[in-house]
Amino acid sequence: DAKTTQPNSMESNEEEPVHLPCNHSTISGTDYIHWYRQLPSQGPEYVIHGLTSNVNNRMASLAIAEDRKSSTLILHRATLRDAAVYYCILPPNFGNEKLTFGTGTRLTIIP
Amino acid sequence: GAGVSQTPSNKVTEKGKYVELRCDPISGHTALYWYRQSLGQGPEFLIYFQGTGAADDSGLPNDRFFAVRPEGSVSTLKIQRTERGDSAVYLCASSPGQGIYYGYTFGSGTRLTVV
Repeated sequence: DAKTTQPNSMESNEEEPVHLPCNHSTISGTDYIHWYRQLPSQGPEYVIHGLTSNVNNRMASLAIAEDRKSSTLILHRATLRDAAVYYCILPPNFGNEKLTFGTGTRLTIIP
Repeated sequence: GAGVSQTPSNKVTEKGKYVELRCDPISGHTALYWYRQSLGQGPEFLIYFQGTGAADDSGLPNDRFFAVRPEGSVSTLKIQRTERGDSAVYLCASSPGQGIYYGYTFGSGTRLTVV
């Protein structure tokens, strides 16, 4: 799998935007970029995924660098419920479904 | 229900006993996955089913672990002769096809404690 690098932890104030970075310098041309988050005592929750173009959904936006070696998950207005561990993952393709999670970024929201 | 359901939510068992953990995927999802998560770590892959067959079981730690999905929907993870090191949260996920294209929906997990 292509490896990802994320900061161990980040803090943000409530009701402000949050930008969570992920580096994936060894990404291949067919690797999708997935983001999941895990709230305390819950299973991981799908947030967003993309290939080349920036993506938006009701939860977040995904900004992908032009060279695809990095991406940023954007939470437009953080709430206390967004406090979680965020995982940036590049799922292997060609039938290999083994996700490698890493340790992710622990996001703390300050009221 | 609308999500992936895992039962029981908590299981305490004695060392050496046999346990079964159940996963009900989202209806119609052909792909099903089992992961294990130890405290403070990200989930680790165990096994992946496409339909009834195990397409990749390379993450199963040893032959005490076995999983089945006989009718292509519900799956059971079976652990024989449990050891204290098996204590973890066991997560199940499903996807309508290859997860890379559709994303993966996870259940809340079964917390297994071996005493």
